[in-house]
Amino acid sequence: AQKVTQTQTSISVVEKTTVTMDCVYETRDSSYFLFWYKQTASGEIVFLIRQDSYKKENATVGHYSLNFQKPKSSIGLIITATQIEDSAVYFCAMRGYGNEKITFGAGTKLTIKP
Amino acid sequence: NAGVIQTPRHKVTGKGQEATLWCEPISGHSAVFWYRQTIVQGLEFLTYFRNQAPIDDSGMPKERFSAQMPNQSHSTLKIQSTQPQDSAVYLCASSPRDSSYEQYFGPGTRLTVL
Repeated sequence: AQKVTQTQTSISVVEKTTVTMDCVYETRDSSYFLFWYKQTASGEIVFLIRQDSYKKENATVGHYSLNFQKPKSSIGLIITATQIEDSAVYFCAMRGYGNEKITFGAGTKLTIKP
Repeated sequence: NAGVIQTPRHKVTGKGQEATLWCEPISGHSAVFWYRQTIVQGLEFLTYFRNQAPIDDSGMPKERFSAQMPNQSHSTLKIQSTQPQDSAVYLCASSPRDSSYEQYFGPGTRLTVL
């Protein structure tokens, strides 16, 4: 079984700064995929970024980037130049190579202050 | 393009009644996933279909819950004899092709069992 743990319940930062959210995972799969999703105040869940376990390079999409540390089973999300609209709940998630079901962490609530 | 459509958006049932939730995946997507979100349990996987075939229902409560995908344009989640603990937001997601990585989520159906 897979397990995803997000220990930060909430984070608050000032606009235009950089924020890092932590996530650790457990799996017996040799290949797997790691994701970050965002849930807005309206409830909408949006895919942000993916890291394939076999890739050493950290994924980057726009102002989102990942800090993948495979030996530590860690996949941190870094958001640079934060904006008010980045305020949301961020979920770390993973799936195995064959089975497409996703296991989610508990989420981290991010608040961006002006 | 329309996203994943879920109906109804809100449903209130009395204890012991049946609830049927509908999901219309994004046109052309070949996989449909069902998740449930509660404050206590977070986001939980229920079941998924690929090309209308059930692939994994490991998250489904064995009694009272069932899911079907009779055609490529819709899936249903049925809960018989609803209980207060079934109250949750039920989320449907779809994915565009075999082993595609990202899942696109619908707005959810908020089920309240009185």
